[in-house]
Amino acid sequence: QKEVEQNSGPLSVPEGAIASLNCTYSDRGSQSFFWYRQYSGKSPELIMFIYSNGDKEDGRFTAQLNKASQYVSLLIRDSQPSDSATYLCAVNRDNYGQNFVFGPGTRLSVLP
Amino acid sequence: NAGVTQTPKFQVLKTGQSMTLQCAQDMNHNSMYWYRQDPGMGLRLIYYSASEGTTDKGEVPNGYNVSRLNKREFSLRLESAAPSQTSVYFCASSVAVQETQYFGPGTRLLVL
Repeated sequence: QKEVEQNSGPLSVPEGAIASLNCTYSDRGSQSFFWYRQYSGKSPELIMFIYSNGDKEDGRFTAQLNKASQYVSLLIRDSQPSDSATYLCAVNRDNYGQNFVFGPGTRLSVLP
Repeated sequence: NAGVTQTPKFQVLKTGQSMTLQCAQDMNHNSMYWYRQDPGMGLRLIYYSASEGTTDKGEVPNGYNVSRLNKREFSLRLESAAPSQTSVYFCASSVAVQETQYFGPGTRLLVL
């Protein structure tokens, strides 16, 4: 079982819809969770992070964490074509540098 | 404030040649990282430096060496390049190993 799993996609949603991206992780002791966005040919950029169970909202983005079920999700409301990118989930398992693990990413396509 | 910078942006090597990828950050971060990104594989950690004066292996260290030259700079060296090292290399930095990582623009390396 991979440590951090994501559906590779592509996930296609119409403009204005809600895009839902999911991530599961295997280490129950994981402490912090990050969502990065990566445009084609560019470097990953942080969207948001979450440490505690529940929801965290930032503008059109909401991160949801459920440690009991070992999943973290990212909701994008009012999706725009500019949101079309690959979204990477990252999990920090503890306080050691090698335990910051990225998932393979989900490619999102927002159709005008 | 340039953030994380990497040089070169693109490089072509022949099998057996050596080269050093340079990375520098101006955010006064303590921790720095080198990743490679291959299609379908996500980001994989090569080496990291939790703080100035320390370096540790990540998931895929074979064929690479690193030097944490000072707090700002972290270089990655390929002593004898192989076609399997064709990839996109990203440098990242963070305040501490458990905190958000910020990425450089990447170096695209082609080994023939």
